[in-house]
Amino acid sequence: DVKVTQSSRYLVKRTGEKVFLECVQDMDHENMFWYRQDPGLGLRLIYFSYDVKMKEKGDIPEGYSVSREKKERFSLILESASTNQTSMYLCAIQGNTEAFFGQGTRLTVV
Amino acid sequence: QKEVEQDPGPLSVPEGAIVSLNCTYSNSAFQYFMWYRQYSRKGPELLMYTYSSGNKEDGRFTAQVDKSSKYISLFIRDSQPSDSATYLCAMSRSGGSNYKLTFGKGTLLTVNP
Repeated sequence: DVKVTQSSRYLVKRTGEKVFLECVQDMDHENMFWYRQDPGLGLRLIYFSYDVKMKEKGDIPEGYSVSREKKERFSLILESASTNQTSMYLCAIQGNTEAFFGQGTRLTVV
Repeated sequence: QKEVEQDPGPLSVPEGAIVSLNCTYSNSAFQYFMWYRQYSRKGPELLMYTYSSGNKEDGRFTAQVDKSSKYISLFIRDSQPSDSATYLCAMSRSGGSNYKLTFGKGTLLTVNP
């Protein structure tokens, strides 16, 4: 079974904090993705990575950065958290066509 | 026009009903079509995957793709309360893991016992 593990299910952070969301996969896939999911807006792609040390901006990269130092790990960084970044964050890997998701991190910024 | 349109619902049906969930799309380059199920506060899980036009059946679930109409459907037979979830359609232009998926916004389904 494909396994995509996100480090936290729930997080509460303060405005201005630097926040790290970690994602680890056990399938040796090259491609990893970070999405956020909000009611009425659906899934929106933040960043993705095709290989170690490579990254590409998605549709809403502002306020975020990513790091991929090892193939199995893809980190999403909120440089200075703001309340409008309160959301469900989902990491995914993509196989030949379909994507497999982690369980999600519900981040609240207060 | 959005690339993928999906009625957000909510859709509420009695147990045992046949459920029809649909998405329309505008990009004729899409060839791979998926349905995901997402329970509350969980990540989406892949339910069905089809390539090009046609039908695919898996137990109580049937996925249909009509590329000429740019329309995809998911049918759930003998629906159960455990089917209550948000259903997301997704599609991509081509095979190979380099292609991003485009998602619908999801339809919230409730099956009442």
